[in-house]
Amino acid sequence: GENVEQHPSTLSVQEGDSAVIKCTYSDSASNYFPWYKQELGKRPQLIIDIRSNVGEKKDQRIAVTLNKTAKHFSLHITETQPEDSAVYFCAATGGDKIIFGKGTRLHILP
Amino acid sequence: EAGVTQSPTHLIKTRGQQATLRCSPISGHTSVYWYQQALGLGLQFLLWYDEGEERNRGNFPPRFSGRQFPNYSSELNVNALELEDSALYLCASSPFRGLGQPQHFGDGTRLSIL
Repeated sequence: GENVEQHPSTLSVQEGDSAVIKCTYSDSASNYFPWYKQELGKRPQLIIDIRSNVGEKKDQRIAVTLNKTAKHFSLHITETQPEDSAVYFCAATGGDKIIFGKGTRLHILP
Repeated sequence: EAGVTQSPTHLIKTRGQQATLRCSPISGHTSVYWYQQALGLGLQFLLWYDEGEERNRGNFPPRFSGRQFPNYSSELNVNALELEDSALYLCASSPFRGLGQPQHFGDGTRLSIL
């Protein structure tokens, strides 16, 4: 069945460095790709999303890139800060289906 | 604007019992989604309601069911509870119909099965 693979499962980066999280999806009908951030004990919150007719989208320190041919999309966080520590989930949506990746726990090291 | 609210915050049940979880979407949102977040498994899509009707469901057995009321609030019912049902159940809403829209999540109901 359809699947979304997310890597890495855990990522530690020095404060100020960049972090990259990658997701690969299998359903070629997927056309909407949101990223959610979930801080410990809190609700998931949308941080950025991209649709299949766009290759890249940026919002301040956060950017998402999409490669439809490879069925691959990535989250890029630059100049990481302590408040970026959280679990990040990617998702792929097409028609009446939504599939989430298993999440990446991001640690920002002082 | 009030966010998505879920009740109860915690729910403790024993095997075989039935659980009812409730969700109130953001005012003006007509679509409600339910997810199961078990430890280490990310978010699993359970159910999607829009305008009072079930639009789609994920790969869960029929003992997971729900409904949406005329005011767009929703209930998730889980019958014949099993130990593996222990998880955080999240509700989300969106103002537009369809899964291809940004979703706003509630804080969840933590269901523990003893």
